[in-house]
Amino acid sequence: AQTVTQSQPEMSVQEAETVTLSCTYDTSESNYYLFWYKQPPSRQMILVIRQEAYKQQNATENRFSVNFQKAAKSFSLKISDSQLGDTAMYFCAFMKQSGTYKYIFGTGTRLKVLA
Amino acid sequence: KAGVTQTPRYLIKTRGQQVTLSCSPISGHRSVSWYQQTPGQGLQFLFEYFSETQRNKGNFPGRFSGRQFSNSRSEMNVSTLELGDSALYLCASSPGTVSTYGYTFGSGTRLTVV
Repeated sequence: AQTVTQSQPEMSVQEAETVTLSCTYDTSESNYYLFWYKQPPSRQMILVIRQEAYKQQNATENRFSVNFQKAAKSFSLKISDSQLGDTAMYFCAFMKQSGTYKYIFGTGTRLKVLA
Repeated sequence: KAGVTQTPRYLIKTRGQQVTLSCSPISGHRSVSWYQQTPGQGLQFLFEYFSETQRNKGNFPGRFSGRQFSNSRSEMNVSTLELGDSALYLCASSPGTVSTYGYTFGSGTRLTVV
C-alpha cells in the first residue's frame, strides 16, 4: 500500500521570501504521478503542480517548483516570492499510473504567509 | 468554462437520516471522484466513476454509495447517518480515462450530522 507523509503540520514565511514544504512517500510502484494541491479557506482544492515519476526534470509552474528525488521518495514544494494569497493548506498526493484512479493524500501542511 | 459544481454547499442532518449530495463535473469530463475530508482522518477516497461505471471504491461501509448519470453528473448517498459522517465531501472531475493530469475539485459539501 502507498503512503504519503507530510512532516510539517504548520509553517510560516514572510512575504516575498522562499519556503519549502516537505513530502515523502512510500510505494513499490515504478510509474506514478505526484501532485501538490492547495486548499485555501474557500475549501476548493487547487492543483499547484504535478510530476511524472518517469521524468527526471523537476516540474516548475511560475513561482512554484518541486524537488523530486525518486530514489529517496521525496517530493518537496518550493514557493518563491511568497504572497499573502499563498496562505492555505497544502496537500501532497500520490497516484499510481494505472489501475486505481485515486489519490493518496498526505495530512497537509498549513502555510501562513506573513505581511 | 464552469468549474465543478457541488450542491448543496452546507447540509445539516439528524442521525439515522439519509442524504444525497450532487456533483456536476466540468463539461466534457467523464471521470468523477468523491473524497471525504475530516480533521481526524484527512482526505480519504470514496469512489470513482467513469462513463456511469464505478471503477474503484474506497474502504467505506456500504452505507456510502454513489452513481453517475449519462451526462456525467454524479450523486453520492449516505444512509443511516452517524455522527462520524460529519465531514467535507469533495467531488473532483477529470477528462480522460486515466486522470494523470490531475483532477479539478469542487468547493465541497459540508455535512453536519447532529
